[in-house]
Amino acid sequence: DTAVSQTPKYLVTQMGNDKSIKCEQNLGHDTMYWYKQDSKKFLKIMFSYNNKELIINETVPNRFSPKSPDKAHLNLHINSLELGDSAVYFCASSRQGGRETQYFGPGTRLLVL
Amino acid sequence: AQKITQTQPGMFVQEKEAVTLDCTYDTSDQSYGLFWYKQPSSGEMIFLIYQGSYDEQNATEGRYSLNFQKARKSANLVISASQLGDSAMYFCAMSVGHSGSARQLTFGSGTQLTVLP
Repeated sequence: DTAVSQTPKYLVTQMGNDKSIKCEQNLGHDTMYWYKQDSKKFLKIMFSYNNKELIINETVPNRFSPKSPDKAHLNLHINSLELGDSAVYFCASSRQGGRETQYFGPGTRLLVL
Repeated sequence: AQKITQTQPGMFVQEKEAVTLDCTYDTSDQSYGLFWYKQPSSGEMIFLIYQGSYDEQNATEGRYSLNFQKARKSANLVISASQLGDSAMYFCAMSVGHSGSARQLTFGSGTQLTVLP
């Protein structure tokens, strides 16, 4: 059973396109996250979201937007893709409060040409 | 602002020996959590171990233990009896925030561990 899943695993697209990455968790968690891992393997938070608040990292361009149809899903929409958006995007989820270990999805490798 | 520092970009260890991966952190919060994740070459992020700032005992999970020294603001990962499958990138991370809020992880730059046969 996959706890946190992401689709697609690989995404190759042209500059200027709009794309979405889907994330689903079956852990019953109420908080979900998106992280970006760059070519140097550095991981940085983009968004965290639960039913009460959306926290946006101030460095994230507004071309990126999270959308949550329900508690188990947090999708990432990216408009007008740029070359610098090429990276691995990880979704994660956790419970709220206490020892909130975050469990990560397998990652989506995005390549913008 | 929170910061995690991993000063060892790469480490080598002989199979069956123990290895320590260094991590220091900086935060003004009193309540925080420290995590270690493993990222093998296949790319997934695997949770290894957690230490809360108020935990008095060092965390242990199988062959992994966390050497938590609060006064020094360090949270080193110790892997005992290294195995070839331990070869991977290891990330130290910290979360801060109040109970009930979404706690974002701040990651270090990682340490690439290679286990030699």
